Amino acid sequence: DTAVSQTPKYLVTQMGNDKSIKCEQNLGHDTMYWYKQDSKKFLKIMFSYNNKELIINETVPNRFSPKSPDKAHLNLHINSLELGDSAVYFCASSPGGQETQYFGPGTRLLVL
Amino acid sequence: EDQVTQSPEALRLQEGESSSLNCSYTVSGLRGLFWYRQDPGKGPEFLFTLYSAGEEKEKERLKATLTKKESFLHITAPKPEDSATYLCAVRASTSGTYKYIFGTGTRLKVLA
Repeated sequence: DTAVSQTPKYLVTQMGNDKSIKCEQNLGHDTMYWYKQDSKKFLKIMFSYNNKELIINETVPNRFSPKSPDKAHLNLHINSLELGDSAVYFCASSPGGQETQYFGPGTRLLVL
Repeated sequence: EDQVTQSPEALRLQEGESSSLNCSYTVSGLRGLFWYRQDPGKGPEFLFTLYSAGEEKEKERLKATLTKKESFLHITAPKPEDSATYLCAVRASTSGTYKYIFGTGTRLKVLA
């Protein structure tokens, strides 16, 4: 009965590869987010979707592309992975844009 | 520039030794201040939301307060299980768009 789930939990890949991280929430929330947490534990928002519509798009490389097939899913696709992409990526959801966010367990990405 | 600063960076307390964590912010159009707890290897877990100066929220040994420039998270008689990183975040709205900004956190260690 996990509220916000992410797959995979760990991802180790080579520079230049393309990879995807999946996120699903079963809370019935309208808004979903992607965050990046770097090695210094700084959490930075990347994207936010409300009812499948992009509402926050921070300055991130266009190698990162979010995709929301439905309200319960927000996937993150990363093209041409670089060493600096290594981080923990968290998905989150909230009932609306102003509400408390519920975070997933994170995906630990390591680019070699 | 919108900014959220947390202090101290790290804090070690003896069990039962009360203290406070600080979150200072400079944002335009504050639409909420959030406190989260993050355990190692896990996603942030919601604690409190504060919306206006003078507001206070309590939960067990934790109490959060808000002024126009900062928020405090007071920990009364902490226990070892309170050890975690505590994150502060603000939701700011400008020109019809909004964004979330996280602080870098305070790592709390409570010794038995």
